[in-house]
Amino acid sequence: AQKVTQAQTEISVVEKEDVTLDCVYETRDTTYYLFWYKQPPSGELVFLIRRNSFDEQNEISGRYSWNFQKSTSSFNFTITASQVVDSAVYFCALSESGNYQLIWGAGTKLIIKP
Amino acid sequence: EAGVAQSPRYKIIEKRQSVAFWCNPISGHATLYWYQQILGQGPKLLIQFQNNGVVDDSQLPKDRFSAERLKGVDSTLKIQPAKLEDSAVYLCASSRGLAGGRSTDTQYFGPGTRLTVL
Repeated sequence: AQKVTQAQTEISVVEKEDVTLDCVYETRDTTYYLFWYKQPPSGELVFLIRRNSFDEQNEISGRYSWNFQKSTSSFNFTITASQVVDSAVYFCALSESGNYQLIWGAGTKLIIKP
Repeated sequence: EAGVAQSPRYKIIEKRQSVAFWCNPISGHATLYWYQQILGQGPKLLIQFQNNGVVDDSQLPKDRFSAERLKGVDSTLKIQPAKLEDSAVYLCASSRGLAGGRSTDTQYFGPGTRLTVL
């Protein structure tokens, strides 16, 4: 069965610290996609990244980086030098090639203290 | 490129009243989604349209919720009559639909409508 686990319910760090949000997934498909979304207090879900199962290269975008490891079924998200504006709920989601629905994790609430 | 538009942003109603939400997807996007997000939870898909046809409405409470997407563009979601447990944020999203509506497409979300049922 498909499943996405974000074990960290809430993380609180001080500004400028690095922080990693964990995402572990389960799927029997060999072709699948993984997503990260950010949901700030305003409520809108903001797309961050989409990664397919055949591309295990790590991705870096400014202060954001993603570590995809098929061997451990994980797709972790790291924010370097965190800022208060990074405070949000972050969702990881799984998409299997034959399905119509995204499988969402429960989300991790990230609090960055000034 | 304009994003997904939704209105209203906030709505407060009494239980048993009716309410409607409107969504305008990103131009050219064939797939449109309505999600319900209860506080502290991830989004739950209510209904998915591919152009103006329904792809998935398995989690839509059809006794009180209805949705339509006329002409394959704008969409409305209606609740009639509303219950207390319908208090949530209703999110609309769209995707290009290149995968025939399959979930591998990237979904782009609107700002949501926060519904409070008293």
